[in-house]
Amino acid sequence: EAQVTQNPRYLITVTGKKLTVTCSQNMNHEYMSWYRQDPGLGLRQIYYSMNVEVTDKGDVPEGYKVSRKEKRNFPLILESPSPNQTSLYFCASRHLLAGGPSYEQYFGPGTRLTVT
Amino acid sequence: QKEVEQNSGPLSVPEGAIASLNCTYSDRGSQSFFWYRQYSGKSPELIMFIYSNGDKEDGRFTAQLNKASQYVSLLIRDSQPSDSATYLCAVNDPNYGGSQGNLIFGKGTKLSVKP
Repeated sequence: EAQVTQNPRYLITVTGKKLTVTCSQNMNHEYMSWYRQDPGLGLRQIYYSMNVEVTDKGDVPEGYKVSRKEKRNFPLILESPSPNQTSLYFCASRHLLAGGPSYEQYFGPGTRLTVT
Repeated sequence: QKEVEQNSGPLSVPEGAIASLNCTYSDRGSQSFFWYRQYSGKSPELIMFIYSNGDKEDGRFTAQLNKASQYVSLLIRDSQPSDSATYLCAVNDPNYGGSQGNLIFGKGTKLSVKP
C-alpha cells in the first residue's frame, strides 16, 4: 500500500529535550516536505527536500532541522523544543517531473506534539 | 509573497444542496491546482486536481478553473453530512523550490452540511 508514515503519532515532551519525528514514504517520491498546522494559521511549510541530500527552508524553519540521507526518509529534528512548537505536524511527499504539472501530494497521518 | 486566499467560513448548507467553495491565487505562473479535504485532526486528502481552464467533474465534485481571473472553485453536489470538513485549496508555486515548486495552501474553508 502506497503511504507516508510518521512516528510517533502523539508526543508529549518537555522544553529542551531533543526529539526526532520520523517520516518515511514507499512511493519512491523525490519531493518530501514538513508542515505544521495551527488553528487559524493553516498549513505552514517548515522544510522541504527535492531529492537526497537536497533540503531547503520553508516559511517557518526556525527551531527545526531536517536531513535527507535516503530517498524514502525525511526526519524532522527539534534540537531544543519550546512550547511554541506545540502543533500538529504533517509530512508529505510527491513525485517531481520537470516541465510537467505537479503531481498529487500525499500526506502522512500527522504527529501531535505537545511541549510543556 | 505568494498567496492563496479562501473564505474561512463556516459555510453552512442543507443536506442535498450544492456547496460552492472558492479560492483565488496570486501567481499567474501557477499551473497546478488542488482541492484537499481535511477532517478535524486528520491529514489532508486529495479530492480533485485541475490543470486546464474549464470544468472537471468527478462524481459529486466539480472543480472549475479560470486562469485569467486567477480563480479556482469546487462545487459539491448533493452535499452530505459526511462532507462536513475543511477544504484546502493548493496551488503550485513555480518560482520557489525547483521546476515544480512547492504547493501553497490556503487556510481552508470550513464546510458544515446540516441534515
